[in-house]
Amino acid sequence: NAGVMQNPRHLVRRRGQEARLRCSPMKGHSHVYWYRQLPEEGLKFMVYLQKENIIDESGMPKERFSAEFPKEGPSILRIQQVVRGDSAAYFCASSPRGQEGSPLHFGNGTRLTVT
Amino acid sequence: DAKTTQPNSMESNEEEPVHLPCNHSTISGTDYIHWYRQLPSQGPEYVIHGLTSNVNNRMASLAIAEDRKSSTLILHRATLRDAAVYYCILAGSTDKLIFGTGTRLQVFP
Repeated sequence: NAGVMQNPRHLVRRRGQEARLRCSPMKGHSHVYWYRQLPEEGLKFMVYLQKENIIDESGMPKERFSAEFPKEGPSILRIQQVVRGDSAAYFCASSPRGQEGSPLHFGNGTRLTVT
Repeated sequence: DAKTTQPNSMESNEEEPVHLPCNHSTISGTDYIHWYRQLPSQGPEYVIHGLTSNVNNRMASLAIAEDRKSSTLILHRATLRDAAVYYCILAGSTDKLIFGTGTRLQVFP
C-alpha cells in the first residue's frame, strides 16, 4: 500500500508565478490535511478537506491560497502570485476518517522556493 | 484546543531507554494523546496514540498518568535513527492536529 505521495518534491517559482502542489492520499483515505512548515519552525495547519468539500480552512491565508480535493484525482494546494514569504515545506496528510483517534499519514512534502 | 508542554531538547545514548515527557493539564475527557516524530527533511511520522490506558506498539510505549494530565513516550532502546523532533499532540473534536515545538531528541553513539 503506497504511502501519501506528494509532488513535486522540490518546486522553484519566481515571484508572481503560480505554484501547484499535488497530494495523492493513501488508498481508501478520504480525508486530507495540508500543513506548512517554515524553516526551523513547527508545522502550521492550513486546511482540512474531505472529498469535494472543505471542512476547515481556518489556517489558510485568505488571499492567493486555495485548496481542493476533487472526487477523482489528487488534492491540490494552489498558491497564486507567490511571494518570497511563501517559501516553505508543504506537507500533506491523509486519514481514513476524521482525525480524532485515527492517525494521520504524512507525505514527505513539497519544498517551495520562491526566487 | 488544549495545549501541551514539552522540553525543548533531550539527549540519550544509543541502546539506552528514553522517556519523553509531556504535560497537558487542560486535557478534556475526549482528547486523545498523539505522538508524532519528524526526522530531518521528512514529513511527520505517527508513533503512537492513546486515550486512557497505556499503549504499546513496535515503535514505542505510551504511559498515561491516571489523571491524564501528563504522559510519557518511552523508546525502549534508542538508536541513532530515533534522532528526531517528537511532538505530543492532543486531538480533540476539531479534527485537526495542532503541532507545538516538540522535543528535539539527540542520540549519541
